[in-house]
Amino acid sequence: SQQGEEDPQALSIQEGENATMNCSYKTSINNLQWYRQNSGRGLVHLILIRSNEREKHSGRLRVTLDTSKKSSSLLITASRAADTASYFCATDNSGGYQKVTFGTGTKLQVIP
Amino acid sequence: KAGVTQTPRYLIKTRGQQVTLSCSPISGHRSVSWYQQTPGQGLQFLFEYFSETQRNKGNFPGRFSGRQFSNSRSEMNVSTLELGDSALYLCASSFLGGPYEQYFGPGTRLTVT
Repeated sequence: SQQGEEDPQALSIQEGENATMNCSYKTSINNLQWYRQNSGRGLVHLILIRSNEREKHSGRLRVTLDTSKKSSSLLITASRAADTASYFCATDNSGGYQKVTFGTGTKLQVIP
Repeated sequence: KAGVTQTPRYLIKTRGQQVTLSCSPISGHRSVSWYQQTPGQGLQFLFEYFSETQRNKGNFPGRFSGRQFSNSRSEMNVSTLELGDSALYLCASSFLGGPYEQYFGPGTRLTVT
């Protein structure tokens, strides 16, 4: 079963616009990560945010985490055609050896 | 450093057969995790190996098994293949495993007919 649910499932924007996708999860976590996947290939790690952090930046990426609402958002600013991909959040459940669970993904299309 | 490699990249098998997939992690990484990705179920965690020991296991039947060798290379095996096993199988390596940044291979696309 999926721990995270991404919203929206699909998003289409014009190049230069900002893209925001959300992830909600069910159980307490230690960390939340965002990954990108291009066209059925392997995933690429984008950013990790710990449960005691509220916001993190990496280049054009901004991630927020609200543990009280069990949700996270990924903002991509000034999007480019190369950002077209599926984006997944991944959480690890607190306690014991963590098992990473991926969400359902948001498919982003950036139109040139 | 070379990335995570998976072999073969594509595979076609018949229902009832068995299959073995291979994953070579990034040099120095001791953790290897396996995931199954399908359009219907998304990314599902199969298992994680760390220093030759299975440390975590997902909710898959016993037909799915794996192992890790002393050089950290890992194999997963699926016996008695079913049509529903058709998927992209992804391997990921990391230094410590668990919640830390994982580096994914390109995947093995398995088709069961």
